[in-house]
Amino acid sequence: DAKTTQPPSMDCAEGRAANLPCNHSTISGNEYVYWYRQIHSQGPQYIIHGLKNNETNEMASLIITEDRKSSTLILPHATLRDTAVYYCIVRVVGGTSYGKLTFGQGTILTVHP
Amino acid sequence: GAVVSQHPSRVICKSGTSVKIECRSLDFQATTMFWYRQFPKKSLMLMATSNEGSKATYEQGVEKDKFLINHASLTLSTLTVTSAHPEDSSFYICSASEIHRGYEETQYFGPGTRLLVL
Repeated sequence: DAKTTQPPSMDCAEGRAANLPCNHSTISGNEYVYWYRQIHSQGPQYIIHGLKNNETNEMASLIITEDRKSSTLILPHATLRDTAVYYCIVRVVGGTSYGKLTFGQGTILTVHP
Repeated sequence: GAVVSQHPSRVICKSGTSVKIECRSLDFQATTMFWYRQFPKKSLMLMATSNEGSKATYEQGVEKDKFLINHASLTLSTLTVTSAHPEDSSFYICSASEIHRGYEETQYFGPGTRLLVL
């Protein structure tokens, strides 16, 4: 699976949009971009995933560049409860590599009042 | 939807005893479940992949005789840490795989089990 690069930490003011970048310049055509977050001492929480089109759900939006070499997770109105480690993961969906999630160091997002 | 539970949430045991951790998918059936381990201030590391009705596949360096995995049904997988020692103290997290649109797979995680071996 392709490797991802994320900034180690970011800050955001409560109520503002949080934009978390992820670089995945070696992504392959059959690899999806997944985002998870982990709040302290809890299991990771699935946020969103996409292949090439932008995606939106009740939690966030995922913007994938046209060349698919990078993406941005957007939390439109960050709250204090969004403080967590955010993981961007690129993985093959389908075939024998189906299923493995490789967690990197992620981005520590701190939302402050 | 897509809720995964784990039991117990935390356990303290004496060195040499065995500990069983249960992972359940509450509102969907999961052919595949996964077990991860996380040490303090570290990222999650996959330990094994558990397929319903067959033997688990362990990652390199994970002792299959020490970490016994059973996936007896489409909603339950168990991890047994046998003869636990202090170095096995960690945060154990399971995930369950749900298939969307016939081919897209998403893993949903349990809340984790904190194991402390004295």
